[in-house]
Amino acid sequence: GQNIDQPTEMTATEGAIVQINCTYQTSGFNGLFWYQQHAGEAPTFLSYNVLDGLEEKGRFSSFLSRSKGYSYLLLKELQMKDSASYLCAWGAAGATNKLIFGTGTLLAVQP
Amino acid sequence: GAGVSQSPSNKVTEKGKDVELRCDPISGHTALYWYRQSLGQGLEFLIYFQGNSAPDKSGLPSDRFSAERTGGSVSTLTIQRTQQEDSAVYLCASSSPTDGNSPLHFGNGTRLTVT
Repeated sequence: GQNIDQPTEMTATEGAIVQINCTYQTSGFNGLFWYQQHAGEAPTFLSYNVLDGLEEKGRFSSFLSRSKGYSYLLLKELQMKDSASYLCAWGAAGATNKLIFGTGTLLAVQP
Repeated sequence: GAGVSQSPSNKVTEKGKDVELRCDPISGHTALYWYRQSLGQGLEFLIYFQGNSAPDKSGLPSDRFSAERTGGSVSTLTIQRTQQEDSAVYLCASSSPTDGNSPLHFGNGTRLTVT
């Protein structure tokens, strides 16, 4: 199967921390990606995990557990500009390197 | 170019007409992808090019959809006899030679509306 699930919407407060979860089921796996997409704009790459554990990049961190088919994106010190959709995607094993995307989580950051 | 460029940014067409969408990838990127994003849906994979060949066309929804790439650069996605369900944002992405770590760089997309 190629299922990937993430919450549809989340709301958080400026300055706070938010965790966006993603679960997936796949028979071939080549890493887990997170993208950010502001309304009407192109998705932009945030992070990539291929091994278990936490990858930290400034205010954003991403975690992967391959055995559990689970990832999360952690956003710290939230800013209003972080209001966007966050897309979880797993990389298909094989030559294409294509990504299979979830439906995205729309994050609203409130003052 | 600096990024992936797509044209037109918006296209309104009548049901039954053909449309062509263009993608100009980042210079030097050999891999090129087309995705479709419908309202409330995730990005749906359509087709993958490596150079000028398309080893994975598994996401094309019907034989009305086709794509080509010439010179290892520009790609066009053609939709024949458009239907209202074809209305969506069509996104193109490119990446450097496939190695599993190379992220996809997306263009801003073409918003297609079929009336």
